[in-house]
Amino acid sequence: QSVLTQPPSVSAAPGQKVTISCSGRSSNIGNNYVSWYQQLPGTAPKLLIYENNKRPSGIPDRFSGSKSGTSATLGITGLQTGDEADYYCGTWDSSLDAGVFGGGTKLTVL
Amino acid sequence: EVQLVESGGGLVQPGGSLRLSCAASGVTFSSYEMNWVRQAPGKGLEWVSYISSSGSSVYYADSVKGRFSISRDNAMHSLYLQMNSLRVEDTAVYYCAREGGGDSYDYWGQGTLVTVSS
Repeated sequence: QSVLTQPPSVSAAPGQKVTISCSGRSSNIGNNYVSWYQQLPGTAPKLLIYENNKRPSGIPDRFSGSKSGTSATLGITGLQTGDEADYYCGTWDSSLDAGVFGGGTKLTVL
Repeated sequence: EVQLVESGGGLVQPGGSLRLSCAASGVTFSSYEMNWVRQAPGKGLEWVSYISSSGSSVYYADSVKGRFSISRDNAMHSLYLQMNSLRVEDTAVYYCAREGGGDSYDYWGQGTLVTVSS
């Protein structure tokens, strides 16, 4: 059971938009920054979004992040088959004094 | 270019010990906080441990507290994870990850597989 809650899977057609939710509580998302990671099959995770809505250099603006209260959302527009991957949200939990992740969401581009 | 390369994984019996290493290059290692994150086969990411840039502050997941120990050698640009009293459920790919802005993990190694089995 992960501290942060994500939907197990989402799907959409190429070119469409998809959102992935991440729900937590005040001790984690509510009072700390959220980051998002993409993990392609057989590879290490890759940072997509940090500090709720910032993109590292090289990450296309098709990827966006937002946070409201104790929830965060990753948005991906102009879906491509290459976006098929597992996506994870992460943050720090100030009560646990620990890093926490969501259980991951598998994105299928139909 | 920042590179993180883990080593030290392998097969170990339950109750055994293993020491993982992570060698950093292309970065001023001593300036950055570091973490270990693991992923059991077919499962999601699990944060394991954190160490501050100086090594003076460390944190652990409850699942490894008292059994694992994180350390670093800034002169050698290396991060370590000493794992004792290993359990079957510790079987996973272990990644070292540099801490970026907002408690994110901006660079990851390729991972090293630890298998705990009799």
